[in-house]
Amino acid sequence: DGGITQSPKYLFRKEGQNVTLSCEQNLNHDAMYWYRQDPGQGLRLIYYSQIVNDFQKGDIAEGYSVSREKKESFPLTVTSAQKNPTAFYLCAGGTGGGYTFGSGTRLTVV
Amino acid sequence: SQKIEQNSEALNIQEGKTATLTCNYTNYSPAYLQWYRQDPGRGPVFLLLIRENEKEKRKERLKVTFDTTLKQSLFHITASQPADSATYLCALALPSNSGYALNFGKGTSLLVTP
Repeated sequence: DGGITQSPKYLFRKEGQNVTLSCEQNLNHDAMYWYRQDPGQGLRLIYYSQIVNDFQKGDIAEGYSVSREKKESFPLTVTSAQKNPTAFYLCAGGTGGGYTFGSGTRLTVV
Repeated sequence: SQKIEQNSEALNIQEGKTATLTCNYTNYSPAYLQWYRQDPGRGPVFLLLIRENEKEKRKERLKVTFDTTLKQSLFHITASQPADSATYLCALALPSNSGYALNFGKGTSLLVTP
């Protein structure tokens, strides 16, 4: 099936650890995005990439990093510099016609 | 700074009635506006897009209006059903140096009771 695949669904991180969230797509989208959602909050843009080997910071990029080496893949690394990483992370692809979202990764700091 | 406002209070309506959700925005003129549905623990699902030169767009029981003078969009669900219960998000495309990225409102929770 076509879509955006995020893994893992649940992720637990110890204090001081870096973790990487996977996002893969087979929709042939040039543009991909990472959002963070906290309880009762809207989606906040972390990073986005309009094309391979290029990406831009969103509103809350501090403590996060991304790469876009392949069109199909846009992994997000949550670094130890992110002081409050517990949240629901959503990856999306698409442009003006509407985004397709993955099912999300719930990250919890333990 | 840009701001997107949706009703923070949940909307409770009876099955069969029309649900109307509001999205207001400030400080920019978006090229288009989108509406998404989000169920608990899931990613948002795209519903409708309306462009700045369109006043109204319909899809089955859904209708969206876009008033660029008032800086407001209304999202209507007619003949509502309990299965329509979800959070509905309004999103606006914000131009940047590298293209457009969507900014989302906090969403309005809709509960349709039998």
